[in-house]
Amino acid sequence: DAKTTQPPSMDCAEGRAANLPCNHSTISGNEYVYWYRQIHSQGPQYIIHGLKNNETNEMASLIITEDRKSSTLILPHATLRDTAVYYCIVRMASGTYKYIFGTGTRLKVLA
Amino acid sequence: DGGITQSPKYLFRKEGQNVTLSCEQNLNHDAMYWYRQDPGQGLRLIYYSQIVNDFQKGDIAEGYSVSREKKESFPLTVTSAQKNPTAFYLCASSLNPVGNYGYTFGSGTRLTVV
Repeated sequence: DAKTTQPPSMDCAEGRAANLPCNHSTISGNEYVYWYRQIHSQGPQYIIHGLKNNETNEMASLIITEDRKSSTLILPHATLRDTAVYYCIVRMASGTYKYIFGTGTRLKVLA
Repeated sequence: DGGITQSPKYLFRKEGQNVTLSCEQNLNHDAMYWYRQDPGQGLRLIYYSQIVNDFQKGDIAEGYSVSREKKESFPLTVTSAQKNPTAFYLCASSLNPVGNYGYTFGSGTRLTVV
């Protein structure tokens, strides 16, 4: 599975959009980008995933660059409850069994 | 509501004792996983099971054992052979072994060995 690079921490004002970047320059054609978040002392929560096209659900939007070497998770209107560690993971959708969780980005939403 | 339940939330044990962590899911998921998380670190895979009565070692299986006798249950035993057992343990499940629809995680068990 390809490795990912994320900034260790970010701040965002409450009500503003939070844009969390992820670099995955060695991603291969059949690997998906997954995002999870972990609120302190809880289990990670699945947010969204995508292959090539941009994706949106009720939690967030995922923007993947055309060359697929990087992506951005967007929380459109961040709230204090979005304060968490966000993990960007790249993995194949088949033939593998595990996610490789790095240390993620610690997002702090400020009042 | 469907979900995955880990118990207990906090567990204290004396050094040298075996301890079993419970993980139960009512999501009808085929696959289940155990991860370990140390402070400031990512998650590391201990064991996983794709179907009942079958399981495989993950990256850090030494000192741990599991069983999968029922689809709903995947208990983890931390044995005395695990040299540094104090950690946050997370159980997860996925609809199928590939997990391409994402994992559902439990709320974790924090084990402290004194």
